[in-house]
Amino acid sequence: DAKTTQPPSMDCAEGRAANLPCNHSTISGNEYVYWYRQIHSQGPQYIIHGLKNNETNEMASLIITEDRKSSTLILPHATLRDTAVYYCIVTPDSNYQLIWGAGTKLIIKP
Amino acid sequence: ETGVTQSPTHLIKTRGQQVTLRCSSQSGHNTVSWYQQALGQGPQFIFQYYREEENGRGNFPPRFSGLQFPNYSSELNVNALELDDSALYLCASSSTGSTNEQFFGPGTRLTVL
Repeated sequence: DAKTTQPPSMDCAEGRAANLPCNHSTISGNEYVYWYRQIHSQGPQYIIHGLKNNETNEMASLIITEDRKSSTLILPHATLRDTAVYYCIVTPDSNYQLIWGAGTKLIIKP
Repeated sequence: ETGVTQSPTHLIKTRGQQVTLRCSSQSGHNTVSWYQQALGQGPQFIFQYYREEENGRGNFPPRFSGLQFPNYSSELNVNALELDDSALYLCASSSTGSTNEQFFGPGTRLTVL
């Protein structure tokens, strides 16, 4: 079973920041938090990952709470192309099996 | 740099038949993982191949089998197809020894009638 809990769906206005929460209260000390997204009928796409510190790349920012029991993925200026299912995954080894939950369906509205 | 490719893109089979799906990994990657994604659900791990050997398996019956070739491309074989095998089959490649991501192909949509 997935070790993460995410809301099933969220809406966000185009141009605004999309904040996607993820709970992972049973995360272990050696587990990373990974975020992927899947645009309709395509393969999942890596977004970002982190262990303890907040991370930022060209796609998004990842904020991890100090106790590491939850995190938030931030898409700073959402566009219609960001409409997708977003998956939060915790894993000690990103090269091994990833256990996926149902994800959050994010709909960006014009 | 060539990304992960999968073939065919779509496939229709009947119950009881056998199917082979193919995956070419990204250049420089030595690990291939296969996932099954039913409609409306997250992907489920089938198995992983590393240097031509199975390196872990999810909760799938033995009629799901695989191969990895010296060039690190891979095949997924499913025997005695069942209606519930209808799904999107995803292949992902990666390199061991890093905390980098898995790169996914576009998937093969299998329909079993």
